Amino acid sequence: AQKVTQAQTEISVVEKEDVTLDCVYETRDTTYYLFWYKQPPSGELVFLIRRNSFDEQNEISGRYSWNFQKSTSSFNFTITASQVVDSAVYFCALVAYRGATNKLIFGTGTLLAVQP
Amino acid sequence: GAGVSQSPSNKVTEKGKDVELRCDPISGHTALYWYRQSLGQGLEFLIYFQGNSAPDKSGLPSDRFSAERTGGSVSTLTIQRTQQEDSAVYLCASSSGLAVYNEQFFGPGTRLTVL
Repeated sequence: AQKVTQAQTEISVVEKEDVTLDCVYETRDTTYYLFWYKQPPSGELVFLIRRNSFDEQNEISGRYSWNFQKSTSSFNFTITASQVVDSAVYFCALVAYRGATNKLIFGTGTLLAVQP
Repeated sequence: GAGVSQSPSNKVTEKGKDVELRCDPISGHTALYWYRQSLGQGLEFLIYFQGNSAPDKSGLPSDRFSAERTGGSVSTLTIQRTQQEDSAVYLCASSSGLAVYNEQFFGPGTRLTVL
């Protein structure tokens, strides 16, 4: 079975604080991809990052960074110096390479509120 | 460029009525997905179309749900005899090609309320 767990339902921080969103996944597949999506109040899901199961290098993009650790089946997302515009629901998702359907298995999301 | 569009943005219907939700994918995208986002179930996969292949309907919750994709482009999700538990935001996404790593681009969704 495939599953994505985002244990943090809601996080509230003050602007300029760093915040880490946790994601733990389960899959029996050896080849898979992990994604993070952002859903701002407007509702549209916005792609942030993709990582494949063979690439454990951490990635940094501006204020965003991702830490992928296969040993703990985690793909955590850190926002440095958070801003009010970062307020959104963040989803972690998994796609396993098992053929026909590339359906995303989503976590339940973490609502991040950044207070000014 | 144009992204994925969905219509209507909001739909209120009475229990027992049929509804049709429309999705226009990004031009040239061969893969199209429907997902449902509800408070109790989070984001869940419904159905997947890829080119001319038979769709993967494994996520449809009941036989009241159906979808079609005409001409490899526009898709319509139909819910017959709507129930209150069908109330949710229905999201459409499209991606290019067959590769599992292809990014899925999402539309703004249709918020369905069944009274």
